[in-house]
Amino acid sequence: NAGVTQTPKFQVLKTGQSMTLQCAQDMNHEYMSWYRQDPGMGLRLIHYSVGAGITDQGEVPNGYNVSRSTTEDFPLRLLSAAPSQTSVYFCASSFAPGQGNYGYTFGSGTRLTVV
Amino acid sequence: SQKIEQNSEALNIQEGKTATLTCNYTNYSPAYLQWYRQDPGRGPVFLLLIRENEKEKRKERLKVTFDTTLKQSLFHITASQPADSATYLCALDLLSGSARQLTFGSGTQLTVLP
Repeated sequence: NAGVTQTPKFQVLKTGQSMTLQCAQDMNHEYMSWYRQDPGMGLRLIHYSVGAGITDQGEVPNGYNVSRSTTEDFPLRLLSAAPSQTSVYFCASSFAPGQGNYGYTFGSGTRLTVV
Repeated sequence: SQKIEQNSEALNIQEGKTATLTCNYTNYSPAYLQWYRQDPGRGPVFLLLIRENEKEKRKERLKVTFDTTLKQSLFHITASQPADSATYLCALDLLSGSARQLTFGSGTQLTVLP
């Protein structure tokens, strides 16, 4: 069981470049989310999905896009990277409430630096 | 405004004592409240979930209480060990229809001294 797999682990981007952070889970979880973690700010929700084909915005969605074409994958796209997007990004997944253990499983994170 | 506050950024306790961490929230109505542990350079790890209609939940040396009137959760680690040193995150599980958002506090860094 791999759990939640995030790639890449580290990335340096130049301002204005675009990239996709990959997230895959093999636990058949319906719910998937993307968070960013900055010093002193805690984890902030970017986008989330309650199932394939359904996504919604979280607290800080600007500058990011997501899609959910399969249950397993939930990629996060940075459209035009800005230094303010320098952060550690975490993907997380869980069952729906009432179905099994519905605590969230987190990936190991992607550390992104925008220069 | 909506807020989640966890007590003091850092908490130091002696090995063997009970650590008590606090999570207070305002202007939220969570269906569940969760606690996570995060070690440096790693993702959060789920520890416990408590429902709004539950007062207390236990798992081994961990105990969580949830008071929806006070809008507060307490997280206890009994017989603490140096290996318990980590940052502990409180998270509110907010449900609205099929939507589900997990909103985190900024965490409390716990150090257990040998």
